[in-house]
Parts: sequence; structure tokens; C-alpha cells
Amino acid sequence: AQKVTQAQTEISVVEKEDVTLDCVYETRDTTYYLFWYKQPPSGELVFLIRRNSFDEQNEISGRYSWNFQKSTSSFNFTITASQVVDSAVYFCALYRSTGANSKLTFGKGITLSVRP
Amino acid sequence: EAQVTQNPRYLITVTGKKLTVTCSQNMNHEYMSWYRQDPGLGLRQIYYSMNVEVTDKGDVPEGYKVSRKEKRNFPLILESPSPNQTSLYFCASSFSGTGYNEQYFGPGTRLTVT
Repeated sequence: AQKVTQAQTEISVVEKEDVTLDCVYETRDTTYYLFWYKQPPSGELVFLIRRNSFDEQNEISGRYSWNFQKSTSSFNFTITASQVVDSAVYFCALYRSTGANSKLTFGKGITLSVRP
Repeated sequence: EAQVTQNPRYLITVTGKKLTVTCSQNMNHEYMSWYRQDPGLGLRQIYYSMNVEVTDKGDVPEGYKVSRKEKRNFPLILESPSPNQTSLYFCASSFSGTGYNEQYFGPGTRLTVT
């Protein structure tokens, strides 16, 4: 069975602090995809990144960076120099296609509050 | 513009009054799916459709129905809504249900059942 664990439920930081959001996943598949989505207070889901199971390279996009480690089944997300606009709920998700369904299994989400 | 649309965006209703949340995509996608989001639970799949006239249950299908009569539309039907169906609902679509395909999400429908 697939499972995504986001052990942190709420994180509060002061602006300009760095913050890391943890994600641990479980799957028996050898081919899978991992995602991070941002959900701002307005409610829509904003795609941040996709990583496939064969690509363990870390990625940096501006203030955002992701660390994918298959050895620990983790796909952590770091925001450097956080800003108030980063305040949102962040979801990690695991994608699997069985041929009969293509499903994203989401973690429970982490609520990030960035205080001025 | 390629998009998934949902209507209504907000709905307050009473227990037992049948309602339909519409979902439409303009990308000629074969695969469509409904998720619900609840605090502390993340998003969970309700139903999905691999193509026209092909639908199946996801993880939390109880109390919901769907239909896929046309490729672009995938309405979610609550025949007799109950307060435990108060939630934020997302429709998603992708080109295919097999292999990897990017899922595109609608803006969400916030439903309150009193």
C-alpha cells in the first residue's frame, strides 16, 4: 500500500528564517513520482515540483529546494529566507499508475505560518 | 486556456437535498477524478474515470455518485448529502490514466451541509 507521511502538522517561523518541510513515503513500486503542492489561503492547489523515482538529483528553484533520498524514502522541501507569502498548507504526494487507476496519495499537509 | 472548471465554487445546503457539483475540462483528457480534502486528512480520492462510461470507486466513495457521459464532463452527485460530506472538493484530469500523466486540478468547491 502507498502512504505519505508528513509528521509536522504546523510550523511557525519568523520571516527570513529557513524552514524544512519533511515528507516520508512508502511504496513497493520501482517507478513512482513524488510531488509537492502549495495550497494558499485562497484554496487552490499550486503545483511546485515533480520528481520521478529514477532521478535523485536535488533541485533548487529560487528560494525553494528539494532533497530526494531513496535510501530513506524521503522527499524534503526547504524554503530559504521565508516570506509571509509562503504561508500556506503544503502537501507532499505520491503518484502511482496501476493501469486501472492513476492516483495521487497525499500526505495530511503541513500548515506553514510565516510571521513578519 | 487549458483548464479544469468546477461549479459551484461555494455551496451551502441542507441534509438530504440532492446536489451536483459539475466538473469540466477542455484538454480532451481521458482520465478524470474527484478528491475531497478534510482538515488533518489531506486529499482522498472519491471516484475516478478512465474514459467515457468507465468509472470506478476510489478510497472514499460512500455517499457519492458520478457519471461520465461525455469526455469533458465528470459531475459529482450527492443524492442525500449529510454533514459529514462538508468538505473541499477537487476535480482533476489527465491525458490518460496509464503511465505518468500530469494531473490538472480544478479550483475547488467548498461544500457545507447543515
